[in-house]
Amino acid sequence: DAGVTQSPTHLIKTRGQQVTLRCSPKSGHDTVSWYQQALGQGPQFIFQYYEEEERQRGNFPDRFSGHQFPNYSSELNVNALLLGDSALYLCASSLLPGGGYGYTFGSGTRLTVV
Amino acid sequence: AQSVTQLDSQVPVFEEAPVELRCNYSSSVSVYLFWYVQYPNQGLQLLLKYLSGSTLVKGINGFEAEFNKSQTSFHLRKPSVHISDTAEYFCAVSLNNNDMRFGAGTRLTVKP
Repeated sequence: DAGVTQSPTHLIKTRGQQVTLRCSPKSGHDTVSWYQQALGQGPQFIFQYYEEEERQRGNFPDRFSGHQFPNYSSELNVNALLLGDSALYLCASSLLPGGGYGYTFGSGTRLTVV
Repeated sequence: AQSVTQLDSQVPVFEEAPVELRCNYSSSVSVYLFWYVQYPNQGLQLLLKYLSGSTLVKGINGFEAEFNKSQTSFHLRKPSVHISDTAEYFCAVSLNNNDMRFGAGTRLTVKP
């Protein structure tokens, strides 16, 4: 049973560019949450998708946007990249929203902005 | 909104010694509490969680945590650590159907 799959694993972008990260949730899960983890810090909540809609959002600018598809997979888009956007981006899936149902995390996408 | 404070950024300990990683949360309502472990270049793995019931929660790899509502704490313990326990540990909190919020992490280093 595949867990959460994220792609790509690493990428390097130039400041000002746009990037799209992808996430396939664990089989049977219908909710996807995205986190940004800067070096040496804890994961920061970006947003959560359920039923193809953004259900909750953390303190991130509108440059960060997302999408959830009918098969529950999700994309995270970041526009006008800044050096400070360099981080590990983690996707977590769950059966229904709410931490109580248990989150399964992917291994992340390491984004470097130069 | 809920928040989590991990009181120690780094905890060095010798192999086979006991360890406690401290976590305090702030919330005016009931919460779900979690501990996750992160090995280098990997995602987060769930160690244990408290949803309700017994305040002593047992998890994987010999870890356990105790929920203390009066002190709003959820400290993680292990009676005897191994070299392989060296990792980053994160405490997290979730309110009912809300998202999960994480602390800044505690780097556990087990020395031989």
